[in-house]
Amino acid sequence: KAGVTQTPRYLIKTRGQQVTLSCSPISGHRSVSWYQQTPGQGLQFLFEYFSETQRNKGNFPGRFSGRQFSNSRSEMNVSTLELGDSALYLCASSFTGTSAEKLFFGSGTQLSVL
Amino acid sequence: AQSVTQLDSHVSVSEGTPVLLRCNYSSSYSPSLFWYVQHPNKGLQLLLKYTSAATLVKGINGFEAEFKKSETSFHLTKPSAHMSDAAEYFCVVSDRDDKIIFGKGTRLHILP
Repeated sequence: KAGVTQTPRYLIKTRGQQVTLSCSPISGHRSVSWYQQTPGQGLQFLFEYFSETQRNKGNFPGRFSGRQFSNSRSEMNVSTLELGDSALYLCASSFTGTSAEKLFFGSGTQLSVL
Repeated sequence: AQSVTQLDSHVSVSEGTPVLLRCNYSSSYSPSLFWYVQHPNKGLQLLLKYTSAATLVKGINGFEAEFKKSETSFHLTKPSAHMSDAAEYFCVVSDRDDKIIFGKGTRLHILP
């Protein structure tokens, strides 16, 4: 069974550009959540999608957005990139996304903003 | 409001000696608690989880954690460290609102 796949693995962008990251969950999983990981802040929750609907949202500006498709694949978009957006972006999938459920993580997309 | 505090950002132990990674939590409800491990350039992998069953939880690779409600702690232990245990460890709390909070992580170094 394939794991959670994130593409691309690495990205380099400049300030002001926008970027789209992709996450393919494990087959059968309907919940996809996104996290930003930085050395100073650790892992911070961005948002969670379930059956194409955003169900939970973290405390990030509107420049960060996402969506989920009918096949449960999810994309995350960051517009007007800032230097502080440089981070490892992780996505995780699970069957239902409930609190006690195990999350399966991808290897992440390392975004560098110059 | 829920929160989680990992008391040490770095822990160093010698190979073959015990490991203790400390985690304290705060939650308005009976929480679910998890420990995840992240090896370099990899995603996070679940080590173990507590969901109000037995207070002593056994996980993979010889790790275990004990839920202590009176101390609001969920410390991770292993009797004997191995070089392959070198990684970053995250304590996670989740409550009935399905909000998941990660601790800032503890980097475990194993000395030969």
